Amino acid sequence: AQSVTQLGSHVSVSEGALVLLRCNYSSSVPPYLFWYVQYPNQGLQLLLKYTTGATLVKGINGFEAEFKKSETSFHLTKPSAHMSDAAEYFCAVTRWTGTASKLTFGTGTRLQVTL
Amino acid sequence: EADIYQTPRYLVIGTGKKITLECSQTMGHDKMYWYQQDPGMELHLIHYSYGVNSTEKGDLSSESTVSRIRTEHFPLTLESARPSHTSQYLCASSASRTGENTEAFFGQGTRLTVV
Repeated sequence: AQSVTQLGSHVSVSEGALVLLRCNYSSSVPPYLFWYVQYPNQGLQLLLKYTTGATLVKGINGFEAEFKKSETSFHLTKPSAHMSDAAEYFCAVTRWTGTASKLTFGTGTRLQVTL
Repeated sequence: EADIYQTPRYLVIGTGKKITLECSQTMGHDKMYWYQQDPGMELHLIHYSYGVNSTEKGDLSSESTVSRIRTEHFPLTLESARPSHTSQYLCASSASRTGENTEAFFGQGTRLTVV
């Protein structure tokens, strides 16, 4: 079975500071991993994804994530936080049911950015 | 920008009423999904479809039903709304390609309140 664990339901950083949101996955097969962002009262928007190839993935808004198979991790980072980054972030893995694939989401991490 | 639309965005309705949440996409995606999300919580898959006349129950049991008569349209219906149905409902779609690396595109959601 494939699942996703996000460590820390709330993360607070100062504007300009490093953002680090943690995601660990469990998968019996090579996973496809995603990070989504959700702003208040909005749907989810894809930030970045890892499928195959380069393990460091760059996404929109200056975010990037590194797939580390040995650590079963896919942490999301941004060198310098901006106030507009305040949102809910979800890590997700594609789960194969035997007949089709479905996305499984983590519980989410709310990012707060302070002045 | 994703072309997937949900209506209404907000709905307040009385107990016992029948409601239909609309979801349409113009991307020609075969796969469509409904997720339920309580405020500040994770997303739970309640229905999915892999094409016309194909619907399956998701991971979270739901009293709602869905239909897929046209590729672009995936409405969700509650025959008799109850306060326990109060939640946010997110619709998503993804392309049907070989492999599991197809990301899902989300609508903006419908926030349902049953009083």
